[in-house]
Amino acid sequence: QVQLQESGPGLVKPSETLSLTCTVSGASVNSRSSYWGWIRQSPGKPLEWIASMHYGGSTYYSPSLRSRITISLDTSKNQVSLTLKSVTAADTALYFCARDNRDGGTQQFDFWGRGALVTVSS
Amino acid sequence: YELTQTPSVSVSPGQTVTITCSGDKLGHKYATWYQQKPGQSPVMVIYQDKKRPSGIPERFSGSNSGETATLTISGTQAMDEGDYYCQTWDGTTALFGGGTTLTVL
Repeated sequence: QVQLQESGPGLVKPSETLSLTCTVSGASVNSRSSYWGWIRQSPGKPLEWIASMHYGGSTYYSPSLRSRITISLDTSKNQVSLTLKSVTAADTALYFCARDNRDGGTQQFDFWGRGALVTVSS
Repeated sequence: YELTQTPSVSVSPGQTVTITCSGDKLGHKYATWYQQKPGQSPVMVIYQDKKRPSGIPERFSGSNSGETATLTISGTQAMDEGDYYCQTWDGTTALFGGGTTLTVL
């Protein structure tokens, strides 16, 4: 069973950079058919996709966040990371890590972590 | 590109409910459905329009044609209450619908 566990600072000051890490178990982040993604959910709001990445380097970013985000994989630690620059209160959300399964040329988020709550406040 | 969902729907226990997701030529793409209960992370209940992951009850089914993807829950149970999100991939971007809150009265 694939398991994902997000970790992060909890509280970030406005204008600073948010860094999150997702530790994957039960699967390898260098799996050929798997991308690894981040999705967030602001309080009372719907899910919002942030980015997805394949170990081969292929990366997709949300157009609305592209200028501020970086996603990366650490195959030695089997981790997925996300950085978000210049945060504002609008970035306060529960951040989920998920496996972005591209099996057979399709795409779906089939396994999710429990999420890491990030609050942006001074 | 946007995916549109009805904000809320209600159903009586044991009845059938449909939750729809609309988008331009959505039927030309694959649709995925996620269930999210309060305080929990989303769970995939339908993928590739109509496939059920292992462990998802048979009462969940899906279809996708034209502009609309549909999630159907037959014999709805109280445990099915929650938010349901549709999602698709347009080749470069993952998109989620606004979500539908299902209430089992």
